[in-house]
Amino acid sequence: QKEVEQDPGPLSVPEGAIVSLNCTYSNSAFQYFMWYRQYSRKGPELLMYTYSSGNKEDGRFTAQVDKSSKYISLFIRDSQPSDSATYLCATPGRGAQKLVFGQGTRLTINP
Amino acid sequence: GAGVSQSPSNKVTEKGKDVELRCDPISGHTALYWYRQSLGQGLEFLIYFQGNSAPDKSGLPSDRFSAERTGGSVSTLTIQRTQQEDSAVYLCASSLSPTAYEQYFGPGTRLTVT
Repeated sequence: QKEVEQDPGPLSVPEGAIVSLNCTYSNSAFQYFMWYRQYSRKGPELLMYTYSSGNKEDGRFTAQVDKSSKYISLFIRDSQPSDSATYLCATPGRGAQKLVFGQGTRLTINP
Repeated sequence: GAGVSQSPSNKVTEKGKDVELRCDPISGHTALYWYRQSLGQGLEFLIYFQGNSAPDKSGLPSDRFSAERTGGSVSTLTIQRTQQEDSAVYLCASSLSPTAYEQYFGPGTRLTVT
């Protein structure tokens, strides 16, 4: 079983829709989670990070961790065409410095 | 300030040749990481440097891969006797310290082995 699993999509939604991106993780000891956004032919850009459970909001983006189900989510409100990218979830896993990534979900926002 | 930079941005090489990829981390960041991103495998950790400590090489796929970091700053990833399966995007990241989990990535080097 992979440490982090993510549906690769692709996911296509109309502009203005609420987008929900999700990952599951295998180990309940994982505490720290990150979301990266990657535009085509660019490096991943750190979007948000959360620690333990709960929600964290930044503008149109909300990151959520549900430790009981080992589920992490990223919500995008009022989605824009400029949000079209691949979104990757990541965790340092068992406290190691290296990040373990999900496969990434390719998102397209249609004008 | 300036982000992580990598060079070259693209590299095409013939099978069997050696290649060197360079990474300049964010100034002041003490931790440096190399990852590889390929279609089938996603983003995979290769190697991690922190200060003068011995690097964590646990992700290097074979002994054809090596990396060094000089003066605690610039790093070079070397792939010897390249194979077609080495074709991927090689990404470098840095973080402020080993306890700062947030890593900041460079634009990557796209390596194509023909």
